[in-house]
Amino acid sequence: AQKVTQAQTEISVVEKEDVTLDCVYETRDTTYYLFWYKQPPSGELVFLIRRNSFDEQNEISGRYSWNFQKSTSSFNFTITASQVVDSAVYFCALSEAKTGRRALTFGSGTRLQVQP
Amino acid sequence: KAGVTQTPRYLIKTRGQQVTLSCSPISGHRSVSWYQQTPGQGLQFLFEYFSETQRNKGNFPGRFSGRQFSNSRSEMNVSTLELGDSALYLCASSLDRALYEQYFGPGTRLTVT
Repeated sequence: AQKVTQAQTEISVVEKEDVTLDCVYETRDTTYYLFWYKQPPSGELVFLIRRNSFDEQNEISGRYSWNFQKSTSSFNFTITASQVVDSAVYFCALSEAKTGRRALTFGSGTRLQVQP
Repeated sequence: KAGVTQTPRYLIKTRGQQVTLSCSPISGHRSVSWYQQTPGQGLQFLFEYFSETQRNKGNFPGRFSGRQFSNSRSEMNVSTLELGDSALYLCASSLDRALYEQYFGPGTRLTVT
């Protein structure tokens, strides 16, 4: 069975601070996908990134960066110089790669509050 | 390109009733998945449809069902509503070409009283 753990329930930072959201996953599959989604107060889940299990390169997109470490089954997300608009709930998710098994298993989410 | 749309956005039903929620995927997307989000259980997968066929199903009772039409629009139905069915129901669509990026709609907030 697949499992995603986001141990940080809530994080509060002051604007311009860097913040890292942790994600640890469990799966027996050798091929899988990892995702991060953002859920602002409006409720809609916003796709941020997808990473497949064969690609351990870190990725940077503007103020966002992701650190995928297969050896520790972690896929952490860092926001550099946080802004108030980053306040949201962030979800890490895992999916099998096989057709017909494309269900996202979500972590419980980390609520990020960025104070001005 | 228009995003995923869900109707209605808010719904209040009484225990024992049934409800139908609708989802229109992004144009060109053929896969539609449904998720339930509650404070207690978090985000849970309900089912996925592709080309009018249910391709995958989560661990929910038979009261939860869905279907997909030839234009990829999807509906989910919950019969004999229970208080615990109160949740945000999210629909997601994706291309079926190994990208596995699911784009979510704004959700339908269902309240069962």
